[in-house]
Amino acid sequence: SQQGEEDPQALSIQEGENATMNCSYKTSINNLQWYRQNSGRGLVHLILIRSNEREKHSGRLRVTLDTSKKSSSLLITASRAADTASYFCALSYNTDKLIFGTGTRLQVFP
Amino acid sequence: KAGVTQTPRYLIKTRGQQVTLSCSPISGHRSVSWYQQTPGQGLQFLFEYFSETQRNKGNFPGRFSGRQFSNSRSEMNVSTLELGDSALYLCASSSSSGGAHEQYFGPGTRLTVT
Repeated sequence: SQQGEEDPQALSIQEGENATMNCSYKTSINNLQWYRQNSGRGLVHLILIRSNEREKHSGRLRVTLDTSKKSSSLLITASRAADTASYFCALSYNTDKLIFGTGTRLQVFP
Repeated sequence: KAGVTQTPRYLIKTRGQQVTLSCSPISGHRSVSWYQQTPGQGLQFLFEYFSETQRNKGNFPGRFSGRQFSNSRSEMNVSTLELGDSALYLCASSSSSGGAHEQYFGPGTRLTVT
């Protein structure tokens, strides 16, 4: 399967804590993207990391990519209640269509 | 810039009917992709249009079709609706074809088939 597998499926933390979610895949990719979805609404793009990049930052978000292990992680530092959402990794193979992973549901308690 | 818009936002149809959903991409974007999201199957790629041509297609039956107009607006049609077609349908626009760049999603159309 070309779909990414995300781990954990669900994560509950307190405000101020860090949240880490992982995405693993099986076939070499062109790029990997992370998206957030709030409660059944549209997805919001967070970060795109290309296969020749190892780490990218955006505000409180840090994404790493290890192509040798075929895995990526998304770290959200100092979580806020507003970060409560589902997070998806999306894989691009040879700049073809995006294939979304299974998602991680993050709950941040105030 | 205005974001991606989708109409209608909610739709209730009866099994056997057909439905047409509309998506207006961000101004200047030529790529529009459609996705179906269900609790059981997650986010699944339907198809992508770029400059009025279908570039990619997912594993959906022929009842699902789409088109793109010269102004990049896109429509998708589902004929002979089945209960299993109940889902959130999302469209996304991008400045280039495929997954090379980030995609900008609309709020979705929630379709309920009864």
